[in-house]
Amino acid sequence: AQSVTQPDIHITVSEGASLELRCNYSYGATPYLFWYVQSPGQGLQLLLKYFSGDTLVQGIKGFEAEFKRSQSSFNLRKPSVHWSDAAEYFCAVGGDDRGSTLGRLYFGRGTQLTVWP
Amino acid sequence: EAQVTQNPRYLITVTGKKLTVTCSQNMNHEYMSWYRQDPGLGLRQIYYSMNVEVTDKGDVPEGYKVSRKEKRNFPLILESPSPNQTSLYFCASSLGGGGVSGQFFGPGTRLTVL
Repeated sequence: AQSVTQPDIHITVSEGASLELRCNYSYGATPYLFWYVQSPGQGLQLLLKYFSGDTLVQGIKGFEAEFKRSQSSFNLRKPSVHWSDAAEYFCAVGGDDRGSTLGRLYFGRGTQLTVWP
Repeated sequence: EAQVTQNPRYLITVTGKKLTVTCSQNMNHEYMSWYRQDPGLGLRQIYYSMNVEVTDKGDVPEGYKVSRKEKRNFPLILESPSPNQTSLYFCASSLGGGGVSGQFFGPGTRLTVL
C-alpha cells in the first residue's frame, strides 16, 4: 500500500541552525516525491519535487531534498533556517503507474517546525 | 495570476443542511482534487477528477459528492453535513495527473458543522 511516514511531529530549531525533516515512503512503482509547506492560515505551496535524475533536488526558499531509494527516504534539508521558515511541512508520494493509484497523491501527517530567534 | 480559488473561505452550518463549496482554477488544468485536513492526520483525498466528466473516489469519499462539468470548476457538495465533516478543505489542480505533477492548492475552506 502507498503511504508516507514523517516520524517527527514537531521540530524546534534555532534561527541560523541547519534543518533536516525526515520522510519515508512506501510505493509500489517508481515514486514521484514532493515536499509542500503550509504557513499558518495558508494553503500548501510546493517546495520541490523529484521524479528522476539527480537524487539531490533543489527547491524554492533555499530548500533541498535527497532521494535515497535504498532507504525509501526523501529528507528535506536547509543549511540555515530563517524565522520565516516556521510552518508545517508535508511530504507526499505519487506516481505515473496506470493502476488504481493513477491520479493519487499520498501525504504524510506533517512536521511542524518552530524556529527560535 | 495563476490561482485556485475556493468559496466560501469560512462556513458555519448545521447538521443536515446541504452545502456546496466551489473551486475554480484559471490554469486550464486537467486534474483537480479535494482534500480535507484534520489535526494529526495530514491531508486525505476525498475525490479527484482527471478531466471533465471523469471523477473518482479518494480515501474518504463518504458523505461527499463532486461533479466536473467544466474544466475550470470542481465543486464539493455535502448533501447532509454532519459534525464529523467539520474540517479544513483544500481544492487543488495540476496540469497532469495528481500523482506526477506539482499540485496548486487553493487557500482552504474552514467548515464547521454544528
